[in-house]
Amino acid sequence: NAGVTQTPKFRVLKTGQSMTLLCAQDMNHEYMYWYRQDPGMGLRLIHYSVGEGTTAKGEVPDGYNVSRLKKQNFLLGLESAAPSQTSVYFCASSYQGEGTARDTQYFGPGTRLTVL
Amino acid sequence: AQKVTQAQTEISVVEKEDVTLDCVYETRDTTYYLFWYKQPPSGELVFLIRRNSFDEQNEISGRYSWNFQKSTSSFNFTITASQVVDSAVYFCALRSGYSTLTFGKGTMLLVSP
Repeated sequence: NAGVTQTPKFRVLKTGQSMTLLCAQDMNHEYMYWYRQDPGMGLRLIHYSVGEGTTAKGEVPDGYNVSRLKKQNFLLGLESAAPSQTSVYFCASSYQGEGTARDTQYFGPGTRLTVL
Repeated sequence: AQKVTQAQTEISVVEKEDVTLDCVYETRDTTYYLFWYKQPPSGELVFLIRRNSFDEQNEISGRYSWNFQKSTSSFNFTITASQVVDSAVYFCALRSGYSTLTFGKGTMLLVSP
């Protein structure tokens, strides 16, 4: 049981380049999330998904797109990277059924992205 | 709207001291969930505890304890007899109503030997 995994762990891009971050979870969780973490800012939600084929915007969605074609995967895309997108990106998933585990988000190890 | 405030940006203690991390939240909903996460220097985010608004019982897990007080909208976290391995950034978070999770900006705890 790997939990939540993220690929890649590190990436350096040049301004204008594109890339996709992959998040996978093997816990059969319904909801998945993408956050970015910047110094002094805590975690801010970029996009999230409440189920296969559905996505929604979070607090800071501009410059990012997402897709959830399979329940276990959630992709985050940067179409034209900018230096302001230099950050650590975290994926998370949560169970939405009944019980004490409901709504608890479990996080992946993070992806450190630098845009030059 | 919901909000989480962690007023302590950084706390430094010496090993074996007790330390309390403060968390104050704001929400208009009567049903909500509060969380604490730990982020050690290695960077991953580790879930510590979840508390729902109906349960004001304090919780103790080893050296960790949590004090939830609805009257003051606080969910404070105490580490007893701190250890160097407790050094990390700790985040408090809130989910209420149909909102997504809102994190505080975190408190960095430095425990020196």
